[in-house]
Amino acid sequence: NAGVTQTPKFRVLKTGQSMTLLCAQDMNHEYMYWYRQDPGMGLRLIHYSVGEGTTAKGEVPDGYNVSRLKKQNFLLGLESAAPSQTSVYFCASSEHAVSGNTIYFGEGSWLTVV
Amino acid sequence: DQQVKQNSPSLSVQEGRISILNCDYTNSMFDYFLWYKKYPAEGPTFLISISSIKDKNEDGRFTVFLNKSAKHLSLHIVPSQPGDSAVYFCAASALGTSGTYKYIFGTGTRLKVLA
Repeated sequence: NAGVTQTPKFRVLKTGQSMTLLCAQDMNHEYMYWYRQDPGMGLRLIHYSVGEGTTAKGEVPDGYNVSRLKKQNFLLGLESAAPSQTSVYFCASSEHAVSGNTIYFGEGSWLTVV
Repeated sequence: DQQVKQNSPSLSVQEGRISILNCDYTNSMFDYFLWYKKYPAEGPTFLISISSIKDKNEDGRFTVFLNKSAKHLSLHIVPSQPGDSAVYFCAASALGTSGTYKYIFGTGTRLKVLA
């Protein structure tokens, strides 16, 4: 049971380059999320999706775009990477959004923008 | 404005003793609280949760206490083991204005259990 899988795990980008992080979940979850973790900042929500074909902004959406073309996949795109986007990115998923649901995280993607 | 606060960035405890990790929140609409554990280079893993209608939930060595009037929850680990050394995040969820549940995380507390 793979759960939530993220690729790539590590990436170094130059300022201005673009890239896409891929998240896949095999739990048939409706909800998917992208978080970033920075020292002293905890986990902050970038974008999320409540189902196939939907996306919504979280706390820190600027500079990122997302797409959910298939229920099991949630892509996070950086169109023009900036050093401020150096971070660890976590994808997560959960069942329908009712109180009491647990969210499950992937192992993280370490991104460095130089 | 941080709605979920973990004011202790780090905590050291002797093996076998109790570890107490604290979390405060400001939003009275939060109705479900979770604790996650994170090892270096791994994703957060779910540990234990509690609904706002309860004041205690226990799972083996882990117990979460909720004090709604004080908007405070705590995670107790008894007895603490070296393998418990990790960063612990508390999280709270509430129904957002868009009709979906939002999960807000604290900044984490790094627990070190000394052998």
